[in-house]
Amino acid sequence: AQTVTQSQPEMSVQEAETVTLSCTYDTSESDYYLFWYKQPPSRQMILVIRQEAYKQQNATENRFSVNFQKAAKSFSLKISDSQLGDAAMYFCAYLEETSGSRLTFGEGTQLTVNP
Amino acid sequence: ETGVTQTPRHLVMGMTNKKSLKCEQHLGHNAMYWYKQSAKKPLELMFVYNFKEQTENNSVPSRFSPECPNSSHLFLHLHTLQPEDSALYLCASSQVENPTYEQYFGPGTRLTVT
Repeated sequence: AQTVTQSQPEMSVQEAETVTLSCTYDTSESDYYLFWYKQPPSRQMILVIRQEAYKQQNATENRFSVNFQKAAKSFSLKISDSQLGDAAMYFCAYLEETSGSRLTFGEGTQLTVNP
Repeated sequence: ETGVTQTPRHLVMGMTNKKSLKCEQHLGHNAMYWYKQSAKKPLELMFVYNFKEQTENNSVPSRFSPECPNSSHLFLHLHTLQPEDSALYLCASSQVENPTYEQYFGPGTRLTVT
């Protein structure tokens, strides 16, 4: 079974600085998708960024970028110029294309942004 | 707002009660999901509905009973729950044909079983 591991239960960053959240996963598949979801204190989970495994180029969305290392099965999220509104629980998730819609989530990393 | 709403937002129920959670999506999606989120555990997928048909039951106890009357509405009927069922229950939706596979989540229902 696929597993997703987030080894950092908590992280903190100073406002305007950069932080990297780690994620590793285990799979024997070659076609899959990876996601970072953000869950603020209001509890509504939203998608931050996604990466297709067949794409070598790392995905970028404004201040959010990923470092996708397929051979190492690593998928880290970098947040640049951190803002107070970035404070949230961040979940890494994996989806195998053949499974259709089944998302496998990691345990999450609680990010605190200090002013 | 993600276009997915859930009611109620908070629910306290005794172990002998029967209650229902409701989810509605306004995005025109055709797949809906129930997840359970417990403290310090990954989100657990409970049920998946594609085009109103249940396509996945992730070994969920029968005291949880889902219902999907149409592609926009999803219910989770609860009866004779246990204290360990206390958790945040999240609903999500997606478009099956959408190659991005993005799921849109509701705000969740915080369930406490006493």
